[in-house]
Amino acid sequence: NAGVMQNPRHLVRRRGQEARLRCSPMKGHSHVYWYRQLPEEGLKFMVYLQKENIIDESGMPKERFSAEFPKEGPSILRIQQVVRGDSAAYFCASSAAGGYTDTQYFGPGTRLTVL
Amino acid sequence: EDQVTQSPEALRLQEGESSSLNCSYTVSGLRGLFWYRQDPGKGPEFLFTLYSAGEEKEKERLKATLTKKESFLHITAPKPEDSATYLCAVHLISSGSARQLTFGSGTQLTVLP
Repeated sequence: NAGVMQNPRHLVRRRGQEARLRCSPMKGHSHVYWYRQLPEEGLKFMVYLQKENIIDESGMPKERFSAEFPKEGPSILRIQQVVRGDSAAYFCASSAAGGYTDTQYFGPGTRLTVL
Repeated sequence: EDQVTQSPEALRLQEGESSSLNCSYTVSGLRGLFWYRQDPGKGPEFLFTLYSAGEEKEKERLKATLTKKESFLHITAPKPEDSATYLCAVHLISSGSARQLTFGSGTQLTVLP
């Protein structure tokens, strides 16, 4: 009964390096969402994907951030040339369908620290 | 502007002391309101979904209610293990972004033994 899985759980990068965060949705779920929780702030939506499609990326920073959900394998959130302000907890959620009332189930998060 | 506001920011209760957490929203056309629990260092854990005014849902010591402008999470006779941050979220209604959740800042609940 695996829930949403994320790895790594903790990631340390130096400024200018790349960070890759992975998310495997719950079994049977084909909709994936990424959220970011900055220190002392609430959860903020970043991007919503289905297999091979980005549906809504209205919350993604315009530069350095990208996301994908390939036909095979986990969803990836990629941050290029990380800066200290990218330090945060990144959460992935999944749902069985993409309707307004479909419950999003969250993973344990990846805590990114940029030195 | 669509907003979700939770109060209080923090709440300390003695074990057995019942209370309520509030989530008020100014979303135009609510599609669904969600309550989550988040423990330190973990991801949000789903508790309830409410769809329409007047709806109520219960789970153990928790009961969630919904009106046209706010939701309450009632905690009856809480125990120390109920200590967590409780998050409220709604679906934001605007073009192309109906499936993203807009979260409140949470209520940090501490239940003392």
